[in-house]
Amino acid sequence: QKEVEQNSGPLSVPEGAIASLNCTYSDRGSQSFFWYRQYSGKSPELIMFIYSNGDKEDGRFTAQLNKASQYVSLLIRDSQPSDSATYLCAVRDPDYKLSFGAGTTVTVRA
Amino acid sequence: DGGITQSPKYLFRKEGQNVTLSCEQNLNHDAMYWYRQDPGQGLRLIYYSQIVNDFQKGDIAEGYSVSREKKESFPLTVTSAQKNPTAFYLCASSMTGKNEKLLFGSGTQLSVL
Repeated sequence: QKEVEQNSGPLSVPEGAIASLNCTYSDRGSQSFFWYRQYSGKSPELIMFIYSNGDKEDGRFTAQLNKASQYVSLLIRDSQPSDSATYLCAVRDPDYKLSFGAGTTVTVRA
Repeated sequence: DGGITQSPKYLFRKEGQNVTLSCEQNLNHDAMYWYRQDPGQGLRLIYYSQIVNDFQKGDIAEGYSVSREKKESFPLTVTSAQKNPTAFYLCASSMTGKNEKLLFGSGTQLSVL
């Protein structure tokens, strides 16, 4: 079974700091990569997607992809209490299935 | 407004009973998906469909069934063969293509009486 692994949490960061989330995947043929944010009891919402090696920035979020190392990460700069949530890494394989990691729970301390 | 509607929000199942979760989308998306989420865990794929009248098993299809008779509808039946059905069920849809993004409905919490 194809695997998506995320760094274990929970991750606690002070307000204004950088939160760093990591994700590795097993299928070298994976083509696209997504980060979702999920608040407790709610459905996931897409916050970032990346398809090419390198960095992609969107506001306070930066996604980084390294296909050779099969590694994707998410940085949250200037963390806010509203960023407290579970972050899910999702990877699309060549069969177009989207597989999810177990998630990393982030808590931003005021 | 376009979106994905799941109903009901909460559902209770008696032992031996089949129950059906509804999922409707008006986004004109070709692909639809069902995921299951257990507490503190990620999403696991149950079934997915990329075209009307066709669907594929995901990683945990046993004890579940689906149909895709219309593009906008993808109901999930949790059968009595699913012995541990208590979970949060999420329906999603997308256009087809490797870079297309999944959008999710608001979910159905299923519990066993």
